[in-house]
Amino acid sequence: DVVMTQSPGSLAVALGERATINCKSSQSVLYTSNNKNSLAWYQQKPGQPPKLLIYWASARESGVPDRFSGSGSGTDFTLTISGLQAEDVAVYYCQQYYNFPLTFGGGTKVGIK
Amino acid sequence: QVQLVESGGGVVQPGGSLRLSCVASGFPFINYAFHWVRQTPDKGLEWVAVISYDGRITDYTDSARGRFTISRDDSQNTLYLQLDSLRVEDTAVYYCARDAQPGYGDWLDYWGQGTMVTVSS
Repeated sequence: DVVMTQSPGSLAVALGERATINCKSSQSVLYTSNNKNSLAWYQQKPGQPPKLLIYWASARESGVPDRFSGSGSGTDFTLTISGLQAEDVAVYYCQQYYNFPLTFGGGTKVGIK
Repeated sequence: QVQLVESGGGVVQPGGSLRLSCVASGFPFINYAFHWVRQTPDKGLEWVAVISYDGRITDYTDSARGRFTISRDDSQNTLYLQLDSLRVEDTAVYYCARDAQPGYGDWLDYWGQGTMVTVSS
């Protein structure tokens, strides 16, 4: 199984500042056939299901604000929230879909400083 | 709009069974693969099972294989997860989720609100 490790486990950021979340996979999730990384990011607010933010490591889902961006390749990935808003308080998860079983990171809780 | 609505959760004793349902609306059900994902405070998000758009391909996490069965009824726009031989560690919120691509091993673009399964004596 591909193990997904997120860091930090939690962070507090001032409103308007940048939040950076890291995700590391135990093996490369880069599809050589299309040169894309099989990595997605989700946001989960309390009492709600996860919501898709990013796929292919850096492609933003329709309707997701452009302050959310994804980067990285191979085994190391980053989700950046540029200019944290109050509504961004949530837990964020990475997920690999390179192979089965699909696996998720342990989550990063983002709060306001 | 796309909607996935789960039901069927509840409290069951170890060794018991439950059948979860997920009714989909707002899109052509037959064109998509679907997954079940469960969540606990301790283990976080855990993928459970997948079924392809035509129902021909299914796959399970190791702990579910042989005990859980994923199926679909395209005439009812409904996804199912039959849970048998339940264990205490199967206690979780169970989500159905849509596979974003025509295949069945991709990112999950829509999720239901979840249904709680509690296995306890």
